[in-house]
Amino acid sequence: NSKVIQTPRYLVKGQGQKAKMRCIPEKGHPVVFWYQQNKNNEFKFLINFQNQEVLQQIDMTEKRFSAECPSNSPCSLEIQSSEAGDSALYLCASSRGTNQDTQYFGPGTRLLVL
Amino acid sequence: QQKVQQSPESLIVPEGGMASLNCTSSDRNVDYFWWYRQHSGKSPKMLMSIFSNGEKEEGRFTVHLNKASLHTSLHIRDSQPSDSALYLCAATASGGNYKPTFGKGTSLVVHP
Repeated sequence: NSKVIQTPRYLVKGQGQKAKMRCIPEKGHPVVFWYQQNKNNEFKFLINFQNQEVLQQIDMTEKRFSAECPSNSPCSLEIQSSEAGDSALYLCASSRGTNQDTQYFGPGTRLLVL
Repeated sequence: QQKVQQSPESLIVPEGGMASLNCTSSDRNVDYFWWYRQHSGKSPKMLMSIFSNGEKEEGRFTVHLNKASLHTSLHIRDSQPSDSALYLCAATASGGNYKPTFGKGTSLVVHP
């Protein structure tokens, strides 16, 4: 069973507000991923880290989204100015850090932007 | 363009029947495939992985991989209502910053 912890489980924000969610990866997993799963169940990769360093991120992430994985603190994903289209399930996953390693997902943060 | 295509989009099978799900990558660099299962309201959990040509069986689940065609399939025999879920295929390329590409999933319903 996955030991990835995500908080909060639910988040409700108004348009233009900041939305911040956190993730504690499984112990011993240096690679952390953030995904957005929309109401059609489509996965969108946002960003991944190895330890504190960004490995890859998409353009969307660079504009309104910010993320970090500081040492000895939870990883976080923040949307600076929420839009209705950001309403989705945000999933954090961690892995040991090779291409053959399984990703273990947290329970997700469900964001609703009113 | 979606690099991982899954079919069918949805599938209904009777309890005890066989469910067959397909997944193809259009990225020639892909080396590793996973199947995840996501029950409604839950997060995805890895079901099976396959990295070599051939077949792998775990209980009622069998996965096939043809690396030449970059096609993998998942077969569930003796399907149970508890197998009703979204099945996601993911593929990773070597040297791809560990980032898998997910398909849109197949929604499986097993009716009693």
